[in-house]
Amino acid sequence: AQKITQTQPGMFVQEKEAVTLDCTYDTSDPSYGLFWYKQPSSGEMIFLIYQGSYDQQNATEGRYSLNFQKARKSANLVISASQLGDSAMYFCAMRERSNYQLIWGAGTKLIIKP
Amino acid sequence: EADIYQTPRYLVIGTGKKITLECSQTMGHDKMYWYQQDPGMELHLIHYSYGVNSTEKGDLSSESTVSRIRTEHFPLTLESARPSHTSQYLCASTDRQGALGNTIYFGEGSWLTVV
Repeated sequence: AQKITQTQPGMFVQEKEAVTLDCTYDTSDPSYGLFWYKQPSSGEMIFLIYQGSYDQQNATEGRYSLNFQKARKSANLVISASQLGDSAMYFCAMRERSNYQLIWGAGTKLIIKP
Repeated sequence: EADIYQTPRYLVIGTGKKITLECSQTMGHDKMYWYQQDPGMELHLIHYSYGVNSTEKGDLSSESTVSRIRTEHFPLTLESARPSHTSQYLCASTDRQGALGNTIYFGEGSWLTVV
């Protein structure tokens, strides 16, 4: 069974609008962490934001925020005021305390329209 | 900025050739990884290492091999390249010990084309 699910293969968003990228996860480990990475067409992976399972508040990093709903097992990435440079693949990943490996979602391709 | 480097960035080689993709990091990280990724697709873990003289195969079966003789160096070798090996290869590293939130840092990737 998929441990990380990103249901949106691709999204088109108008520049300056906010965008939400979905990520749901499955784990029985009470201690885990969730990551979002951005991958531009050049190929490098850029770390964006992290949320721990015991963190009381949703993580924020500049224009990025994580909408963490623990009971629903979702960790959606919100990008406010999107820019053309936000066009990229976005990957959600999870690390469980019991297994230190990162488990990756299939990614969402985001295209920002001018 | 991550201190993890991959060479070559781009390579085109003929079928049957031997190729080594280099990966070095200067952060003193114990854990290192190799991922294979086709354009626009998900990452597949092919090898990882917990430290010197430790190597393990990942989730995706691969005909490549790795070695970890020094902490900072984790090269990946294909003994006989085939067109099916055409892909991007990403090297990454992270601290072995510590919090769940330890960031995994990636190199810029090596794009391999086998003709």
